[in-house]
Amino acid sequence: NAGVTQTPKFQVLKTGQSMTLQCAQDMNHEYMSWYRQDPGMGLRLIHYSVGAGITDQGEVPNGYNVSRSTTEDFPLRLLSAAPSQTSVYFCASSYRGAHTEAFFGQGTRLTVV
Amino acid sequence: AQSVSQHNHHVILSEAASLELGCNYSYGGTVNLFWYVQYPGQHLQLLLKYFSGDPLVKGIKGFEAEFIKSKFSFNLRKPSVQWSDTAEYFCAVSLMTTDSWGKLQFGAGTQVVVTP
Repeated sequence: NAGVTQTPKFQVLKTGQSMTLQCAQDMNHEYMSWYRQDPGMGLRLIHYSVGAGITDQGEVPNGYNVSRSTTEDFPLRLLSAAPSQTSVYFCASSYRGAHTEAFFGQGTRLTVV
Repeated sequence: AQSVSQHNHHVILSEAASLELGCNYSYGGTVNLFWYVQYPGQHLQLLLKYFSGDPLVKGIKGFEAEFIKSKFSFNLRKPSVQWSDTAEYFCAVSLMTTDSWGKLQFGAGTQVVVTP
């Protein structure tokens, strides 16, 4: 059982480049989300999805796009990378309900130069 | 604004010492409460969670936490730490409203270093 799988683990981008961070889960969870982790700020919610075809913005959505075509996958797209997007990105998934816990992927460490 | 506060950013202690990490939240409604741990270079792992019932919650690796509703607090404790407890610890809260299911609000984290 793989859980939540993120790829790549490390990435360096130049300012203005685009890329997609991949996230897949095999637990049939309805809810998936993306967080970024920055020193001294904990994790902040970027975007989330409550099911295939449904996405919404979190606390820090600017500069990021998401889509959810299947239950399993929830990619995060950076259309034009900026140095302020240098961070560690975590994907999480959970069942949708009042009492659920989130399962996290291994993270992607992104550096924008 | 709603927030989660962790009292200490860095804690250094010796093996066998007791650990207590503070966490306070500012939400007025019913909440789910979590403590996650992140070992160096790894992803977040759930230490323990509180949904309802007994406010004293026991988690993995000897950790426990107490929910005090009147103080909006969910402090993490461990009676005797080990070197392997060196990690960053995050308190997180989710609201019990339908549109907030699954959304976690995290504290800034506490870096704990246990010296041999």
